[in-house]
Amino acid sequence: NAGVMQNPRHLVRRRGQEARLRCSPMKGHSHVYWYRQLPEEGLKFMVYLQKENIIDESGMPKERFSAEFPKEGPSILRIQQVVRGDSAAYFCASSPLGLAGATNTGELFFGEGSRLTVL
Amino acid sequence: AQKITQTQPGMFVQEKEAVTLDCTYDTSDQSYGLFWYKQPSSGEMIFLIYQGSYDEQNATEGRYSLNFQKARKSANLVISASQLGDSAMYFCAILDTGANNLFFGTGTRLTVIP
Repeated sequence: NAGVMQNPRHLVRRRGQEARLRCSPMKGHSHVYWYRQLPEEGLKFMVYLQKENIIDESGMPKERFSAEFPKEGPSILRIQQVVRGDSAAYFCASSPLGLAGATNTGELFFGEGSRLTVL
Repeated sequence: AQKITQTQPGMFVQEKEAVTLDCTYDTSDQSYGLFWYKQPSSGEMIFLIYQGSYDEQNATEGRYSLNFQKARKSANLVISASQLGDSAMYFCAILDTGANNLFFGTGTRLTVIP
């Protein structure tokens, strides 16, 4: 009965390297959301994915950031050529239904986050 | 306009006392959901309580209750019998189906004093 699993919990990268963050949703959940939390701030939406589809990426920077949720395996948030400003906590959440369904059920759960530090 | 407003950057409460954390929201949707999350110093986001916009009863989960006042667009979190382990950041969030997004407030840091 595992919850949302994120790894790595902590990741250190040098400027210019790539960061890959993984998220395995709860069993039975096919909707995944990625959020970013800068220090001392709330969470900001980045992207919403369903299996093999990007539903809404309006919160994701146009360059260097990409996300996928393949048919098999975890969702991946990829940051290319990282810069110091990418240092943040990245949270993944999952739900069995889309957000409209989650509005009725409240079933939207977060992982423990991945903390990226760019040196 | 801010979707979620948490006006208390920090709050202190004596152990065993009750405390209310304020949250007001802004939406034009009829159907929405309100969430409270706790973020301890270890960083994870812990779900506490949920209130749907059509729920007539205020949500309760153990020591947590949500004081939902729809006309005033407020969804305050009440923690009864505070414990030292309640010291954390608390975030209010609205699930806005119109915007297809979960919007977070800036959080309130609660400190429980022994």
